[in-house]
Amino acid sequence: AQSVTQPDIHITVSEGASLELRCNYSYGATPYLFWYVQSPGQGLQLLLKYFSGDTLVQGIKGFEAEFKRSQSSFNLRKPSVHWSDAAEYFCAVGPYNDYKLSFGAGTTVTVRA
Amino acid sequence: KAGVTQTPRYLIKTRGQQVTLSCSPISGHRSVSWYQQTPGQGLQFLFEYFSETQRNKGNFPGRFSGRQFSNSRSEMNVSTLELGDSALYLCASSLEGGGSTDTQYFGPGTRLTVL
Repeated sequence: AQSVTQPDIHITVSEGASLELRCNYSYGATPYLFWYVQSPGQGLQLLLKYFSGDTLVQGIKGFEAEFKRSQSSFNLRKPSVHWSDAAEYFCAVGPYNDYKLSFGAGTTVTVRA
Repeated sequence: KAGVTQTPRYLIKTRGQQVTLSCSPISGHRSVSWYQQTPGQGLQFLFEYFSETQRNKGNFPGRFSGRQFSNSRSEMNVSTLELGDSALYLCASSLEGGGSTDTQYFGPGTRLTVL
């Protein structure tokens, strides 16, 4: 069975500082990995996804993620955080042949001035 | 191009009642998926519809059902509501679905409160 673990429930970061959100997955085959962001009262927005190829994936809003098969990880990073990045972030894993995404519990990011 | 729309945005029901939620996908998208989001269980996959057929289903009781119309709009129905059904119900659409390579676009959700 597929599963996702986001070890950090809540992270506080200063504006302009770097951000790294951790994600570990469990999946029997090659995973399809995703990061989504959810602002309060909103749906989910896709930040980036990894299917194959280059293990460093660039996404929207200046985010990137690195797939490390040996560590079963897909951590999300941003070099310089803006106040608008305050939101909840979800890592998800999906199989190749269907849409049954499994999401992590989410990490809430607070940005302080 | 308009995004995924969900109606109503907020809903209050009492235990034992039933409820119907609606989702209009992005124009041209034929796959619609539904997810339940709760503080305790997080985001959980309910089901996926493609061309009016349920193609995939999560681990939810039979009280949860859905359907898709010929214009790709989808509805989900929850019968005999329980307190634990209080959640944010998210709908997502994609062009073809059937695989994670196809990006899902999420709607803002319907917040259901069961009293």
